[in-house]
Amino acid sequence: NAGVMQNPRHLVRRRGQEARLRCSPMKGHSHVYWYRQLPEEGLKFMVYLQKENIIDESGMPKERFSAEFPKEGPSILRIQQVVRGDSAAYFCASSPRAGPSYNEQFFGPGTRLTVL
Amino acid sequence: DAKTTQPTSMDCAEGRAANLPCNHSTISGNEYVYWYRQIHSQGPQYIIHGLKNNETNEMASLIITEDRKSSTLILPHATLRDTAVYYCIVRAGGIGTSYDKVIFGPGTSLSVIP
Repeated sequence: NAGVMQNPRHLVRRRGQEARLRCSPMKGHSHVYWYRQLPEEGLKFMVYLQKENIIDESGMPKERFSAEFPKEGPSILRIQQVVRGDSAAYFCASSPRAGPSYNEQFFGPGTRLTVL
Repeated sequence: DAKTTQPTSMDCAEGRAANLPCNHSTISGNEYVYWYRQIHSQGPQYIIHGLKNNETNEMASLIITEDRKSSTLILPHATLRDTAVYYCIVRAGGIGTSYDKVIFGPGTSLSVIP
């Protein structure tokens, strides 16, 4: 069973461009979470999605950031008009649909976004 | 999620047991203790979790005090590859619980010394 896949692993954008980060959850997982880790800082929750629904977006910046998890295909984190402060590692995690006695999250390798 | 406190950093000699403490004095009855670690530049990795009983798996052991206000993660024979930031997290679990976000604190930076 392949783990959580994220691509690209590294992404370079100039200020004002758009960044699209993709996350394919583990097989059978329908819960996806996005986290951001700024340089020298801890991991911060951004958004939690189930198929076609945003469940919790309390950690998402109010502007320029959006996320989706369509019925088919990967989850996408989209950042419009990127600024230098968006430079960070973005991690995706997934958890299974039907919970056992716990809800462990499996993390992907991350996408490192650099804004020039 | 209940708040946890961990030492900022620790050293451990290679081959020895690494004991990482965590305080979670405000933990509530339905909250589990989870441990994750993040090796430099990689995604966080689940290690172990528990509710009130001690737990062991192929990676580590988790010892939870009887009052559940603190716990210790034990890596029985630390290797250089165990050098990482270790996060102790408490969060609701159990059947029917909503699949909530993970709130990461600063964690403990463990350095395994040759």
